[in-house]
Amino acid sequence: DSGVTQTPKHLITATGQRVTLRCSPRSGDLSVYWYQQSLDQGLQFLIQYYNGEERAKGNILERFSAQQFPDLHSELNLSSLELGDSALYFCASSPIPTGLTEAFFGQGTRLTVV
Amino acid sequence: AQTVTQSQPEMSVQEAETVTLSCTYDTSESDYYLFWYKQPPSRQMILVIRQEAYKQQNATENRFSVNFQKAAKSFSLKISDSQLGDAAMYFCAYSLQGAQKLVFGQGTRLTINP
Repeated sequence: DSGVTQTPKHLITATGQRVTLRCSPRSGDLSVYWYQQSLDQGLQFLIQYYNGEERAKGNILERFSAQQFPDLHSELNLSSLELGDSALYFCASSPIPTGLTEAFFGQGTRLTVV
Repeated sequence: AQTVTQSQPEMSVQEAETVTLSCTYDTSESDYYLFWYKQPPSRQMILVIRQEAYKQQNATENRFSVNFQKAAKSFSLKISDSQLGDAAMYFCAYSLQGAQKLVFGQGTRLTINP
């Protein structure tokens, strides 16, 4: 158990809908990263938050957004969903803002868009 | 842009034997980290081993060791005494020192034959 909790584990929704994925980092970790794992794109970095502020952005679509709350949990919001958004979404956390030597991953949320 | 290439989509090995997974990467930087992550059927991304580029000594974690060839930009993973529990997808990943993200290879699916 990495200590990073993601909910829900599975999500099935229709095209055009909006969903929210939640991540609780390890106790004491201030940095949260979101990754998308799809069959065609592999594992790709989406976005990072550190202590409530956006720190880095990767290949995140404009339809997607994220935030980190004062209690350090993070949410990834996906809207106007398309079939191609079906993927495994991972959250990872680390205690520091840079250098991923101690990043720990959650078990992921499997999103299926039908 | 940094890229990571795993040229072996699938590998198989007999239980108790040794197997080596290949990884090459492309970067113009001198300070970075390299990682091997394991993703079993549970989907959890588990850190297997990491290597700091400034260290010449190859990292070792129990049955797992790496062969880091900085000039050749090669970072292979050797698994000794393979066990059934080693069956998983293995991802090679790169992180620039001070950066906020991991760049992953496409993965190698490892099968252990009893």
